[in-house]
Amino acid sequence: GAVVSQHPSRVICKSGTSVKIECRSLDFQATTMFWYRQFPKKSLMLMATSNEGSKATYEQGVEKDKFLINHASLTLSTLTVTSAHPEDSSFYICSASQGSRSGYTFGSGTRLTVV
Amino acid sequence: GQNIDQPTEMTATEGAIVQINCTYQTSGFNGLFWYQQHAGEAPTFLSYNVLDGLEEKGRFSSFLSRSKGYSYLLLKELQMKDSASYLCAAPSGGYNKLIFGAGTRLAVHP
Repeated sequence: GAVVSQHPSRVICKSGTSVKIECRSLDFQATTMFWYRQFPKKSLMLMATSNEGSKATYEQGVEKDKFLINHASLTLSTLTVTSAHPEDSSFYICSASQGSRSGYTFGSGTRLTVV
Repeated sequence: GQNIDQPTEMTATEGAIVQINCTYQTSGFNGLFWYQQHAGEAPTFLSYNVLDGLEEKGRFSSFLSRSKGYSYLLLKELQMKDSASYLCAAPSGGYNKLIFGAGTRLAVHP
């Protein structure tokens, strides 16, 4: 079946630095990928929709200059958390779709801790 | 607009049956998903309903009523490993972005 690889699985960084998270579709082409954020004991909150070759579409309240999304190819989308702060510490998950009826495949998630 | 509601927490006994309800309001309808998520892990797919009725898949079944904007996930013969969060989700909008409900944390006890 479809596989989405997400790296790194865990990252600890210092306040003020930037962190890049990669999401790759391994055996299919993903025109659209989605980035979610999840706080402890909460559900997945959609941050943005990443489209290959065009600008990402951000959900209301998500700072596009802070969470930079690049979808340079049909198999790779990246999320860069710029100038990270402790409040950015969270679980970030990417997802790729081959069409709504085909389902959504999730990456394994990235646990970001900003110290 | 879009809104997906489900209970926050439920508890059940090992071996029992539990039903987790979900009501939804979305712009357009492209089906209703159920996912299971253990703490610190990504969600795993359980079911997808696009037509009314009950779909059974082993110990898990999912029901949909489009006219009522209602779905439920039925878990039979509960096992301790079924303790997890269960997320109701629906595609919405032009890119069919998947929107999640708040999730239901199920605790199965002996």
